[in-house]
Amino acid sequence: DSGVTQTPKHLITATGQRVTLRCSPRSGDLSVYWYQQSLDQGLQFLIQYYNGEERAKGNILERFSAQQFPDLHSELNLSSLELGDSALYFCASSSDGGVSDTQYFGPGTRLTVL
Amino acid sequence: EDQVTQSPEALRLQEGESSSLNCSYTVSGLRGLFWYRQDPGKGPEFLFTLYSAGEEKEKERLKATLTKKESFLHITAPKPEDSATYLCAVPMTTDSWGKFQFGAGTQVVVTP
Repeated sequence: DSGVTQTPKHLITATGQRVTLRCSPRSGDLSVYWYQQSLDQGLQFLIQYYNGEERAKGNILERFSAQQFPDLHSELNLSSLELGDSALYFCASSSDGGVSDTQYFGPGTRLTVL
Repeated sequence: EDQVTQSPEALRLQEGESSSLNCSYTVSGLRGLFWYRQDPGKGPEFLFTLYSAGEEKEKERLKATLTKKESFLHITAPKPEDSATYLCAVPMTTDSWGKFQFGAGTQVVVTP
């Protein structure tokens, strides 16, 4: 158990809908990351937050947004969902978000868009 | 452009049959190379971080080594519970924050 928690574990929804994924980092960690993992794309970095502020962005679609709250938990919002958004979404956390900081991953949320 | 390539894509081993996985990278100024283990449908589990060429780290039957262009994960006398996908990752060099570039992984199956 990495100490990173994610809810829900599974999410099934329809195209065009909007969902919110939630992540709580390990105790003491200030930085949160979101990754998407699909069969054909592997693990892809989406976005990073540090102490409530956005720090780095990857290939995140405009339909997706995230934020980190004062209590350091983070939410990833996915809107206008498409079939291709079906994937595993992982949250990771690290202590200070530095480039060489170890990232610890949560158990993931499996999103299925029908 | 930063690239991380893992080989082989898949590896099938008999229990006790040692082998090595490769992770080659093209980044300027390596700032760490990370190995993770991932079981199906689960989150990646951190194994090792290597920072400089010549560095080695061990954990049970796993040993990770690093050169200037690649890293190896050696699995010695594997057991069926070592079956998993092994991922390597390097920080992208575009900025000082922690964006990781992951390889596609090596899927290891160890049969009794």
